Amino acid sequence: AQSVTQPDIHITVSEGASLELRCNYSYGATPYLFWYVQSPGQGLQLLLKYFSGDTLVQGIKGFEAEFKRSQSSFNLRKPSVHWSDAAEYFCAVGAQDNAGKSTFGDGTTLTVKP
Amino acid sequence: NAGVTQTPKFRILKIGQSMTLQCTQDMNHNYMYWYRQDPGMGLKLIYYSVGAGITDKGEVPNGYNVSRSTTEDFPLRLELAAPSQTSVYFCASRREGDYGYTFGSGTRLTVV
Repeated sequence: AQSVTQPDIHITVSEGASLELRCNYSYGATPYLFWYVQSPGQGLQLLLKYFSGDTLVQGIKGFEAEFKRSQSSFNLRKPSVHWSDAAEYFCAVGAQDNAGKSTFGDGTTLTVKP
Repeated sequence: NAGVTQTPKFRILKIGQSMTLQCTQDMNHNYMYWYRQDPGMGLKLIYYSVGAGITDKGEVPNGYNVSRSTTEDFPLRLELAAPSQTSVYFCASRREGDYGYTFGSGTRLTVV
């Protein structure tokens, strides 16, 4: 069965500082991996996705993530955080079958200090 | 495009009442999903559909039912509401060949 672990429940960074959110997954084959962002009271928005190929993927809003098979990780990064990045971030792993069901981590809440 | 539309946005139910959460998408996506999100938790899959007329159970289907008579609509039915069903419900869809989801804005349900 597929699973996702986000080790950090809550992270606080200063505006302008760099950010890294951790994600570890468990899946029997090469996974489909995703990062979503959820602003308060909103649905989830897809930030970026990894299917295959280049292990460094670029997403929207200046985010990037790196797939490391040896570490079963897919960490999300941003060089310089803006106050508007404060939100909850979810990592997900998707099954490579027709149903394409995704399993989500419990999320990491990002607070940005001025 | 409207994307994925969920109604209502908020609802309070009494124990034992029934209701239907509506989900409509205008992107002609075959694949649709219902998740629930409890505080401090990730999303848990309730039901999903790979096309009109085809539905299947997810991780937490008890207490819920779904139907998929059209490509656009995927309603979620709660027959006998229980306090354990207090949650935020999200509908999502995806197109063929792309495994990333488009989410609706959610329905916040409280059962008292």
